[in-house]
Amino acid sequence: DAGITQSPRHKVTETGTPVTLRCHQTENHRYMYWYRQDPGHGLRLIHYSYGVKDTDKGEVSDGYSVSRSKTEDFLLTLESATSSQTSVYFCAISGRTSGKYNEQFFGPGTRLTVL
Amino acid sequence: DQQVKQNSPSLSVQEGRISILNCDYTNSMFDYFLWYKKYPAEGPTFLISISSIKDKNEDGRFTVFLNKSAKHLSLHIVPSQPGDSAVYFCAASANTDKLIFGTGTRLQVFP
Repeated sequence: DAGITQSPRHKVTETGTPVTLRCHQTENHRYMYWYRQDPGHGLRLIHYSYGVKDTDKGEVSDGYSVSRSKTEDFLLTLESATSSQTSVYFCAISGRTSGKYNEQFFGPGTRLTVL
Repeated sequence: DQQVKQNSPSLSVQEGRISILNCDYTNSMFDYFLWYKKYPAEGPTFLISISSIKDKNEDGRFTVFLNKSAKHLSLHIVPSQPGDSAVYFCAASANTDKLIFGTGTRLQVFP
């Protein structure tokens, strides 16, 4: 299994509070991703990173920000949590090299509940 | 606008029989397709993939078929086993770093 950990694994918070989720990898992969999984929507990309300090938005980026100061860590921040951000969040990594697509490997997920 | 669609939310199959999971897509620029399997309380795990230059890829009990003209792919599991019970997601990429996922199909394999 790819070395990906997510913390915390579960979190309950209140509306309006900031929340930061952490993804840590030991594979030295260049690409890292944050997804959310919701019933009826599958997995939707929030933000992704293609290198240290290089990030870009996915399809559901509103209300979220990310940072990547080291290859191994990718942080997802909910600046002011809302109930619509209650979800399961997955981090993924990919070792894609130029000209060849590699599959993404997923972490175990973080279940976030916003009350 | 759902670019990758899995129209069957669930499928129930008897152990030993074939399971066929379907996926349709709308973007003709997609050139790489993947299937992931997900158990409850775990992250998705990669199962099998296929490039658009092929129409079939096989790995043990799992075979993925791609019909580009119909923009359709399917995952065949033969023979199905109870341990195959999970949610299956198809995903597609258009030569980018990003994947677009379908909504998933829950497969239940019963004895």
